[in-house]
Amino acid sequence: EAQVTQNPRYLITVTGKKLTVTCSQNMNHEYMSWYRQDPGLGLRQIYYSMNVEVTDKGDVPEGYKVSRKEKRNFPLILESPSPNQTSLYFCASSSRVTHNEQFFGPGTRLTVL
Amino acid sequence: AQTVTQSQPEMSVQEAETVTLSCTYDTSENNYYLFWYKQPPSRQMILVIRQEAYKQQNATENRFSVNFQKAAKSFSLKISDSQLGDTAMYFCAFLLSNDYKLSFGAGTTVTVRA
Repeated sequence: EAQVTQNPRYLITVTGKKLTVTCSQNMNHEYMSWYRQDPGLGLRQIYYSMNVEVTDKGDVPEGYKVSRKEKRNFPLILESPSPNQTSLYFCASSSRVTHNEQFFGPGTRLTVL
Repeated sequence: AQTVTQSQPEMSVQEAETVTLSCTYDTSENNYYLFWYKQPPSRQMILVIRQEAYKQQNATENRFSVNFQKAAKSFSLKISDSQLGDTAMYFCAFLLSNDYKLSFGAGTTVTVRA
C-alpha cells in the first residue's frame, strides 16, 4: 500500500530535550516536505527536499532541522524544542512528475511543556 | 507569495442539506492548481477535490463540487446532501504549476447536525 508514515503519532516532551520525528514514504517520491498546523493559521511549510541531499527552508524553518540521506526518509529534528513548537506536524511527499498529487502522513501531535 | 483566505471559521448544516464554503486566493500567476482537503477528527488530510486553473469546467466529485471563478480568484466548495461523516475541518489550498509548496487557508470547521 502506497503511504507516508510518521512516528511517533503523539509526543509530549519538555523544553530543550532534543527530539526527532521520522517520516518515510514507499512511493519512490523525489519531493518531501514538512508542515505544521496551528489553529487559525492552517498548514505552513517548515522545510522541503527536492531529492536526496537537497533540502531548503520553507516559510517557518526557525528551530527545526531536516536531513535527506535516503530517498524514502525525511526526519524532522528539533534540537531544543520550545513551547511555541507545540503543534500538529505533517509530512508530505509527491512525485516530480505528478507533483500536484501530494500524499500526507497521518500527523504527529507534539506538545512541548 | 500566494495567500489563501477562508473567511468562515465555522459552519453548521443540517443533515441532507447543502453548505457552501468560500475561499479566495491571491496570485499574479496564471498556471496553478486549487484543492479542497478534508480533515476529520482523525486528523488525516484527505483530498476532496482538485481544480486545474486552465480548465474552465468546475470539478465535481460525487456530492462535492466547486465554483471556480478565475477572474475573481474565488474557489468555493459546495457539499450537497450533507452527511454526518462530512463533519470535519476543510482546507482550501493553492499550488503553482511549477512548484511543490502548498499554500493553505486557515480552514473552515463544518458540523453536520442530525
